[in-house]
This record gives sequence, C-alpha cells and structure tokens, in this order.
Amino acid sequence: EAGVAQSPRYKIIEKRQSVAFWCNPISGHATLYWYQQILGQGPKLLIQFQNNGVVDDSQLPKDRFSAERLKGVDSTLKIQPAKLEDSAVYLCASSPRLAREAINEQFFGPGTRLTVL
Amino acid sequence: SQQGEEDPQALSIQEGENATMNCSYKTSINNLQWYRQNSGRGLVHLILIRSNEREKHSGRLRVTLDTSKKSSSLLITASRAADTASYFCATALYGGATNKLIFGTGTLLAVQP
Repeated sequence: EAGVAQSPRYKIIEKRQSVAFWCNPISGHATLYWYQQILGQGPKLLIQFQNNGVVDDSQLPKDRFSAERLKGVDSTLKIQPAKLEDSAVYLCASSPRLAREAINEQFFGPGTRLTVL
Repeated sequence: SQQGEEDPQALSIQEGENATMNCSYKTSINNLQWYRQNSGRGLVHLILIRSNEREKHSGRLRVTLDTSKKSSSLLITASRAADTASYFCATALYGGATNKLIFGTGTLLAVQP
C-alpha cells in the first residue's frame, strides 16, 4: 500500500513570498489533516478535511493560510504571504476513519520543510 | 496549546537497555496514541490505548494508561540503535463532530550501540 505523498520535500523562500504544498493521501482515506511542526515541538493541527469538506480549521491562521481538497482526494496548503515564524515542517496525514470516529489512527507523509528567510 | 507533556525531554541509553518515557495530559480523553518520528521522516503510529484500558503490548512496546492521574508511559524493552527517534504521545479528545489528536512535546531517545 502506497503511503501519504507530499511535495516538495524542501522549500526555501523569502518573507512575504507565497508557497504551496501538495499532499496525496492513502487511497480511499476519507479524512485528511495538515499539521505544522515547529522545531523542537510536537505537530499542531492546522486543518482537517473529511472528503472535500472542512471539518475543523480553528487553528488555521486564515489571514495568510488557505487549504483545499476540491475532489476529496489530494489537497494543497498555501501560505500567502509567508512570515519568518512560518518556518516549520508541514505534515500531511490521512485516516480511513471518519472525522467523528474516536479511534483515528493517522498515517503521516514525510513532510515539507519550509524555511522562510 | 499542547495537551500532553512528555518526560524526560531527552533520554540516552545503551543498546539492550529498557527505555521509559512518560506523558501527562490535562483533559479527559477518548484514547491515547504513541508515535515515533525518525530524523527526516514523518511520524509513524506505534500503539493506541483506549481510555478504558490500563495496559497494552505490541512487540517490544508496553503502554500503560492511568486516567485518574491523567498519565501514560511507554516502555521500550531491549532497545536497539534503530529505536533512536523522537517519541510523541497524542491524545484523542472527545470533540463531538470531530475527534482530533493533540500532540505532546516529545521525548528524544538516543540509543548508543
């Protein structure tokens, strides 16, 4: 079974520039998550999708971050404009469980390491 | 904010020794999960323990959960150099329409050959 795919693996940009990350979840997984992991910390949930709908985006800085999962499969996360504090690893995860199910083991991709200069 | 706090923050042991790391959390949970993150790789799910369970085993892993103390521990027996990684506990909260995972701060384990 293929895992969660993410691209690019690394990205370096200057502040105020825009950047987009792509994620392709495991086939058939209904729920998709984007996390931000700052160096030395645990992952923090940014947004959660079930199929093509947003379930939880309470932690997403909506003034600069946006995400979509138009066809309920792959997803993109965009930052516009980027700030220095956005430097982090952005992880995508998927789960075969529905958002409301409590037993929700998640499968993570390798992440995109973003450096904002 | 982080729900879970792992202890210790860093742990260094010799191959063959056992490694124990602890996780404390703040609110009632539905289940607690442990994940491993190797350098440069994504997180890998290790084990899940439900709130009505007290202990669970998987290979060389043993997890305990004490809901009265809001704490969990992960024991890795007979450690190997390949176990070197960061270990995170993640709590699944009761959330109504959505059940999200809240990750702790992690324990960095170094196993010396």
